Amino acid sequence: AQTVTQSQPEMSVQEAETVTLSCTYDTSESDYYLFWYKQPPSRQMILVIRQEAYKQQNATENRFSVNFQKAAKSFSLKISDSQLGDAAMYFCAYRIPATGTASKLTFGTGTRLQVTL
Amino acid sequence: DTAVSQTPKYLVTQMGNDKSIKCEQNLGHDTMYWYKQDSKKFLKIMFSYNNKELIINETVPNRFSPKSPDKAHLNLHINSLELGDSAVYFCASSQEGLEPGNTIYFGEGSWLTVV
Repeated sequence: AQTVTQSQPEMSVQEAETVTLSCTYDTSESDYYLFWYKQPPSRQMILVIRQEAYKQQNATENRFSVNFQKAAKSFSLKISDSQLGDAAMYFCAYRIPATGTASKLTFGTGTRLQVTL
Repeated sequence: DTAVSQTPKYLVTQMGNDKSIKCEQNLGHDTMYWYKQDSKKFLKIMFSYNNKELIINETVPNRFSPKSPDKAHLNLHINSLELGDSAVYFCASSQEGLEPGNTIYFGEGSWLTVV
């Protein structure tokens, strides 16, 4: 069974600084997708960034980037130039490609990020 | 326009009652989901429908019954509500094989409190 582990329940970063959130996963699949979702106090689940396992290049979205280490099964999220609006729960998630039927997202337990002035 | 919308957003009800949560997506996706987020923020899938057909049914009590009248709608009906059903329920959708990375898009969640 696939599992996703986020070992940091809470993290704190000062505004304008950089922070890295850790995520590891366990799978026997070779083709899969990884995601980071952000959940602010409003509770909405917002996609931050996604990575296809077959791509060696790390995904980037503006201030957000990932460090994808497939052999180590590691998928960390780096937030640069942190802003107050980045304060939220961040969930790492894993999914295998759907082949004719849907496949589910498996989530980690989340990391709460605080952004301080 | 909201891509995945759920109603109601907040629901407080007594034990033993029956309630429904409705979900609609306007993304043209063919697959919809219900996820449950418990008090510890853990997210877990409950059901998934593909073109109105149930394809994922995790270990969920029979009191929970999803219904998909068409591929744009997926409702969740809960009978005989219990205290442990208090959670945030998220509806989500995806288009298998076409969305980049098979991305799943979530609604805003429905916060159910059973008293």
